[in-house]
Formats: sequence, structure tokens, C-alpha cells
Amino acid sequence: QLQLQESGPGLLNPSGSLSLTCSVSGGSISATTYYWGWVRQPPGKELEWIGSVSYVGNTYYNPSLASRVAISVDTSKSQFSLRVSSVTDADTAVYYCARHCGDSAYFPFDYWGQGTLVTVSS
Amino acid sequence: DIVMTQSPDSLAVSLGERATINCKSSQSVLYSSNNKNYVGWYQQKPGQPPKVLIYWASARDSGVPDRFSGSGSGTDFTLTISSLQAEDVAVYYCQQYYSFPLTFGGGTKVEIK
Repeated sequence: QLQLQESGPGLLNPSGSLSLTCSVSGGSISATTYYWGWVRQPPGKELEWIGSVSYVGNTYYNPSLASRVAISVDTSKSQFSLRVSSVTDADTAVYYCARHCGDSAYFPFDYWGQGTLVTVSS
Repeated sequence: DIVMTQSPDSLAVSLGERATINCKSSQSVLYSSNNKNYVGWYQQKPGQPPKVLIYWASARDSGVPDRFSGSGSGTDFTLTISSLQAEDVAVYYCQQYYSFPLTFGGGTKVEIK
């Protein structure tokens, strides 16, 4: 059974950088051609797609965040990562990592991590 | 961006009754080359990640009870719960994966009347 687990700091200062890692177990990122993505959800609000990455590092980003976001993949560790720079309180959210159920980002997400709350506050 | 507009924002349904959630996309999400609608439906319970129920507008994911069904094409889509069970209390989201940025609807909260 595929499992995804987010990890990273839960509290950040404004203007700092957010770095999260998603560890994939029960299956290797490099063994298949799936795409992997990040989605966030501010408290009590709707879901927002941040971006997605292939196992060879091809990326797609939400234009609303693209200038501050980078997603990378480390197949040797079966992990992919998210970095968001210049954070503000608007970046406070639960951050989920997830897998697209196909070989492009034009597929829905079928496996999700449990999510990690990131709070931006001074 | 394709805007996904869900209605209603919330609804209360008696146990065993039908629940219907609508989702309208600001442009068509039907890909003509494969005749597929690039829409999915998710269920999210408190403190949990979303769970995919339906993809390609009407294909039920493995293990999803058959009381959940999806329909629609082009710009108008519906998720129906034919006989509401207590465990179906959740927020439901539609999502389009037709074009970037991928976008979700605002969610519909389903409760027991």
C-alpha cells in the first residue's frame, strides 16, 4: 500500500522560506511514471494546487505561486520536496503531498499524505 | 484559470435520502480527442486528507460504494449520493484537471438532517 508522509517545520517567521519533504513508501517514485504534487488548504478554506513534478523532475506550477515556489524530486530517497520563499500569513495552511493517478499531471490525485500544518507568524 | 463553482455550499439530508451536489466549470473540460471530462470528485472528512471518489466525471474509484455516482459533461457536473449514510458526512470538492492551474471547487458540506 502506497503511503505518503509530509515532514518539515510547522512554524515560520514572515519573509522566511518554507521547506517540506514528502517521503513515499510502499512503492518507489522512480519505479513508475507517475506525477507527484503539492496541494494546500488554509484553515477552513478550499484546496489550492501548488504544483506537480514528474519522477525525472519535470515541473508544473500554479502561476499564482510560481515566482516563489520550487518543487524537486530525489528518486534515490523516494522523496519530493516543496520550497516556498518569502512567506506571509497568507501561506498558513495544511500542506498535502499527493500522487496523480497517471503519467502526467492531467490526472486526479489518488493517494494523499495526512497533511502538515504550517503556520506563518512572528 | 478554470473556475469551478459548486452549489449548494451546504445541505442537510435525512439518512437514506438522496444528496445532490452540483459543480459548474467556467469553460468546458471535455477533451474532444478522447471524449473524457477531466473532472474528479473528492470527499474530505474533518482532520483527514481528501479522498478521490469519482474521476473522468463518472468513473467510481476502486472501493467507493456504489451509492456514489457522478454525471455530467462539458461544463456541468453532479455528484449524487443515492442513500445518505452517517459516514458520508463530509465536505465534497470537485476538481478539474483539464488545464493548468488545476483548480478545485469551493466545497459542499453535507450534514444529516
